[in-house]
Amino acid sequence: DVKVTQSSRYLVKRTGEKVFLECVQDMDHENMFWYRQDPGLGLRLIYFSYDVKMKEKGDIPEGYSVSREKKERFSLILESASTNQTSMYLCASSSRVGQETQYFGPGTRLLVL
Amino acid sequence: AQSVTQPDIHITVSEGASLELRCNYSYGATPYLFWYVQSPGQGLQLLLKYFSGDTLVQGIKGFEAEFKRSQSSLNLRKPSVHWSDAAEYFCAVGAWYGNKLVFGAGTILRVKS
Repeated sequence: DVKVTQSSRYLVKRTGEKVFLECVQDMDHENMFWYRQDPGLGLRLIYFSYDVKMKEKGDIPEGYSVSREKKERFSLILESASTNQTSMYLCASSSRVGQETQYFGPGTRLLVL
Repeated sequence: AQSVTQPDIHITVSEGASLELRCNYSYGATPYLFWYVQSPGQGLQLLLKYFSGDTLVQGIKGFEAEFKRSQSSLNLRKPSVHWSDAAEYFCAVGAWYGNKLVFGAGTILRVKS
């Protein structure tokens, strides 16, 4: 089975802190994604990566950056957390071949105070 | 640009009753369509996907979906709902050449006994 794990299920941070969310997948997938999930808005793509050290902006990249130094690991960074970044963050991975299924991690619920 | 509309934010059905969740998409070419389910506190799990071919697609957990090109829809159905089906359901659309998905806002299903 594909497994996508996220480093934390719950995080509480203060405004202005630097926040790291980490995601690891064990299926040798080329593509990895970070989404933000908010009630009534569904999932919105923040960033995705199609290879090591490669990244592309999604629909809402402002206030976020990402890092992919190894194929299995994709990190989301909030350089200076703000209260409007309180949300559920979901990581996903997929194979590059065609329109392959995205496999999701359990999510990290982040609260910024 | 792709877009997905899930017209129903909340749906309540009685256990044992049939279910239909609606999904309409907008996309200029042949779409790749997905239905995911998210149980409380969990990540997203793929229920089914439609790429081409038969317009009736079978998924896991007894779900199926019917693709109607004329209505730009892929509605999710289940003949008899179980209490464990209570969750949030997301429809998503993507293009064959890329791996990005656009998600709908989700439909929350409540099952009453």
